[in-house]
Amino acid sequence: QQQVKQSPQSLIVQKGGIPIINCAYENTAFDYFPWYQQFPGKGPALLIAIRPDVSEKKEGRFTISFNKSAKQFSLHIMDSQPGDSATYFCAASTTGNQFYFGTGTSLTVIP
Amino acid sequence: DAGVTQSPTHLIKTRGQQVTLRCSPKSGHDTVSWYQQALGQGPQFIFQYYEEEERQRGNFPDRFSGHQFPNYSSELNVNALLLGDSALYLCASSYGQGLQETQYFGPGTRLLVL
Repeated sequence: QQQVKQSPQSLIVQKGGIPIINCAYENTAFDYFPWYQQFPGKGPALLIAIRPDVSEKKEGRFTISFNKSAKQFSLHIMDSQPGDSATYFCAASTTGNQFYFGTGTSLTVIP
Repeated sequence: DAGVTQSPTHLIKTRGQQVTLRCSPKSGHDTVSWYQQALGQGPQFIFQYYEEEERQRGNFPDRFSGHQFPNYSSELNVNALLLGDSALYLCASSYGQGLQETQYFGPGTRLLVL
């Protein structure tokens, strides 16, 4: 059973566009929601994370929106650049316990 | 400051064989977690080691075992390899059990089972 469902599977945007990646979860005990960025041949790198006590968090061009009642959270990339082309994973965990990852979204930003 | 390192980078084995993968955590980190990432999928948690003991385990069979050494480095062992074990194996390190928001991943070991 997939604990975290991620969509879309792939995404193509023009440079400067705002790709949005969505994730949904069922376990209301989850209290930490990170997003990871993975380039080919590399391990995932933490991009930004949020806890359920806030509805939005922004770091540079990356923003997480969190909807606790809908059990959904999403990643927005402002002014996307070709260098943002990568695979993005959402994840969820309860404090001190294992991470459950989504299936990933392959993002391509066209110059 | 070296990040998380893993060896080897690539490995080819045949069904039924055994394999050992190695991980050195980021400097200052004492907790190591192992993940399996199948092609086109997200990482799946195998287990976590802290203070040389397995502290948490995901839904993986006993063929998957590990070890953590006094210097915090870790090994992942897989016995009786199956074709389905072909994947990228990721090691992640963090400081202190439970502080997983500080988790850093290594580049992984790509295992191919023929």
